[in-house]
Amino acid sequence: GESVGLHLPTLSVQEGDNSIINCAYSNSASDYFIWYKQESGKGPQFIIDIRSNMDKRQGQRVTVLLNKTVKHLSLQIAATQPGDSAVYFCAENINYGQNFVFGPGTRLSVLP
Amino acid sequence: EPEVTQTPSHQVTQMGQEVILRCVPISNHLYFYWYRQILGQKVEFLVSFYNNEISEKSEIFDDQFSVERPDGSNFTLKIRSTKLEDSAMYFCASRTLSEKLFFGSGTQLSVL
Repeated sequence: GESVGLHLPTLSVQEGDNSIINCAYSNSASDYFIWYKQESGKGPQFIIDIRSNMDKRQGQRVTVLLNKTVKHLSLQIAATQPGDSAVYFCAENINYGQNFVFGPGTRLSVLP
Repeated sequence: EPEVTQTPSHQVTQMGQEVILRCVPISNHLYFYWYRQILGQKVEFLVSFYNNEISEKSEIFDDQFSVERPDGSNFTLKIRSTKLEDSAMYFCASRTLSEKLFFGSGTQLSVL
C-alpha cells in the first residue's frame, strides 16, 4: 500500500535548463525566508535567503523571488546540473522569532 | 566553514527506552534548535533554546522530551520513554540572531 507523506511534488528538468521551484507560505507576518536544499540522508543545506523588504535576491546560479501580495516564494536555478537533484524546502520566520516553519518540499530531478 | 555536528549518526533503541541525542552547535551561535523529519515528510520544529532556557516549543515536544546545554558546547535532546512514532531523523540547528539557520547532518533514530 501507499505510505503517507512520500508523494512530494516533483519537478523534472533537463540538464542545462532552468528550474523554478515554488512555495506558498502561510503567515502574512513572516518577514524572513530561506531556501534549503536537502540531499538524501543529509541535513538541510542553506541556499539563499531574502527579507520581506526585498522582492528579489540573486546568488550564484540561484535567484529567489518574493511576492508578498500572494504570499509566494520561488527559487530559480539557472543551468540546472545533476548535482542540483535534491528536495528543496522553503522556510519562513516571523520578526526574528525562534521558529522557522518549513514548507512541504519539492523534489527536483535533473534528467541527463 | 564551521558546522553543527551531531552524534550518533544512527541510534537504534527499544520502545520505552531513553535516548539522548547530542549536538555541538557552531561556537559563536546563541540560538539552538531541534527539528525532526519523519521519512519522506517535511522538517518539523520541536524546540528552540536561548540563554539556557526553552524559548519556544511545538506540540510535538511533550513531557517525554527535554533539552539541556550541560556545558559550553553541547546541546542535547532526551526522549525519556521512546515510542514507535518517535522514529525519525532528528536535526540540530543553530544560529545567531539575524543569521540563517545552520543544520547538522542529523541522527536517524529507529525505535523497535
